[in-house]
Parts: sequence; structure tokens; C-alpha cells
Amino acid sequence: GQSLEQPSEVTAVEGAIVQINCTYQTSGFYGLSWYQQHDGGAPTFLSYNALDGLEETGRFSSFLSRSDSYGYLLLQELQMKDSASYFCAVRGPRYQLIWGAGTKLIIKP
Amino acid sequence: SAVISQKPSRDICQRGTSLTIQCQVDSQVTMMFWYRQQPGQSLTLIATANQGSEATYESGFVIDKFPISRPNLTFSTLTVSNMSPEDSSIYLCSVEEREGQDEQFFGPGTRLTVL
Repeated sequence: GQSLEQPSEVTAVEGAIVQINCTYQTSGFYGLSWYQQHDGGAPTFLSYNALDGLEETGRFSSFLSRSDSYGYLLLQELQMKDSASYFCAVRGPRYQLIWGAGTKLIIKP
Repeated sequence: SAVISQKPSRDICQRGTSLTIQCQVDSQVTMMFWYRQQPGQSLTLIATANQGSEATYESGFVIDKFPISRPNLTFSTLTVSNMSPEDSSIYLCSVEEREGQDEQFFGPGTRLTVL
């Protein structure tokens, strides 16, 4: 089956850098996705990694190591608006998204 | 990117009744999905809505409880039948514009409270 692990909560200071880790177990791997969800809002897509390495999009970067079944989301120059929950997700056997439990990012001024 | 609307945005219902949630997309999409999310929790996939055929349900979800329609490539409904307080949740519709696309786009959600 598929399972994902990520920390339940991470706290950081405004302007700092934070890394949210995700480890996964899956019978077939098609890529690791990251989504952001603000309280009361819908999830929004951040990034997708199918191959090993770092993908950068502005202040956000995502990394994947397929050999370690591990990825992370890196947020730089943290802003208060980055306070949200962050979910990693992988594809299941029917190509459906399977979601991690989510990491609540708390940013302090 | 697809723009998705859901109706109703929220509702309070009595146990034993049913509620139908509508999901409308502004463009034709290949894949449509229905999720459930408890506040502060992760997303749980209920089913994939297939155009012109029966929905594909995930383990723990059955058609009698959550009947789904998808009459065309821009619209789907999810009915929560014979509701109980345990069905209180946020129900989200999402789409992939083409099968296997990296990104899923989500509707704003329907917040359901069952008394």
C-alpha cells in the first residue's frame, strides 16, 4: 500500500527558512506533489517532483530522492502569509492522489 | 487553470436526510474527484467521478451512501445520503484537466454540519 509521513507541526520565524520533510512508502512511484492549504481555504498546488533533485519556484523549492523515498519542501524568506498547512501526496495504483496527514506551519514575527 | 465552483458553500442538515453537492468547472476536464476533509485533518478521497460511467469508489465508501453523477465533462454531483453527525465534514471537488496531470485544482468546498 501507500503511506506518507510528515511532521504534524513546524514553527519558524518570519524571514527565516524552513524545511518540511516527507517520507513515503509506495508500491509504484509516479512523483511527489506538494499542496498548500490556508485555514478555511482549498488546497492549492505548489510543486511536483518526478525525478531526483531540486525544483525551485520563487521562494519555494521542492526536493526528491527516490532512492531514499524522501522529499522536502523548502520555504525561504518566510512571510506571515505562508502560515498554512502543507501536504505531500503521491499517486496510488489507480493514479489517484494519496495525501500525507499535513504539516501545520506556524510563523512567528 | 480550471476554475471550480461548488454549491452549496455550507449547509446544516438533519440526520436521516440527504444533501446533493454540485461541482461546476469552467472548462472540460478529464478527471473529477470528490474528497472529504475534517477540519485540521488530511484529505480523504471518496471517489473518482467518471463521465458516462459509474464512479470509482475508494475503500470505505459505497455508492448507496455517496451516489455520484457526472453527466458531462464540466459538471458532477455528490449526494450524501441518510446523513448522520459523522458525515459532518468539508466536501471538496477537484479536477485534473487531463489524465495524469501533475496538478489538481480544487473547488472552495462545502461545509456540511449534520445535527
